[in-house]
Amino acid sequence: DAGITQSPRHKVTETGTPVTLRCHQTENHRYMYWYRQDPGHGLRLIHYSYGVKDTDKGEVSDGYSVSRSKTEDFLLTLESATSSQTSVYFCAISEDRDDGYTFGSGTRLTVV
Amino acid sequence: QKEVEQDPGPLSVPEGAIVSLNCTYSNSAFQYFMWYRQYSRKGPELLMYTYSSGNKEDGRFTAQVDKSSKYISLFIRDSQPSDSATYLCAPMDSSYKLIFGSGTRLLVRP
Repeated sequence: DAGITQSPRHKVTETGTPVTLRCHQTENHRYMYWYRQDPGHGLRLIHYSYGVKDTDKGEVSDGYSVSRSKTEDFLLTLESATSSQTSVYFCAISEDRDDGYTFGSGTRLTVV
Repeated sequence: QKEVEQDPGPLSVPEGAIVSLNCTYSNSAFQYFMWYRQYSRKGPELLMYTYSSGNKEDGRFTAQVDKSSKYISLFIRDSQPSDSATYLCAPMDSSYKLIFGSGTRLLVRP
């Protein structure tokens, strides 16, 4: 996906361990978002950022934290991974708040 | 009740058919409406973006919004096997966050 990269693409981790997912953009967009996608629930917003060091909670933020120290990077951390956090995680960016979002390719996370 | 509802499908049609994908929502404050297409194991990609009620056409795709009935539609003309994907409707709420439906899976048979 042009301008937005997620890493890693796949990860298997053990319950109780911390995990950090990275989203990197080259578009210089102000807004960045983390979503999770689960069967039957669709895409749900975890956290979002509206600028460097400016972040806020979304619909399903419990157990997750985020940081944005540079415009291009938005990190999602699972403080202590649980099996319920097994999911596909998508990062998205937008230039303005009422623009459509551009999504990354996703990170498939399995917590065992 | 979910804020945005979509029939999960799958909707199976022959190549060349006109496809109608639909979505209902409950929040009358939604002003912007988007459709995303998602291929298997890929990220969603923006297909259509409309503001308020009315129609918007882009090639084979037409998005229609009826705010009075809180109903959103996406029409695909001359459907192709490459259109086989999951289609997500996504209204934007008053705080400018996209609220996604669970998606409708479309299969276009050659």
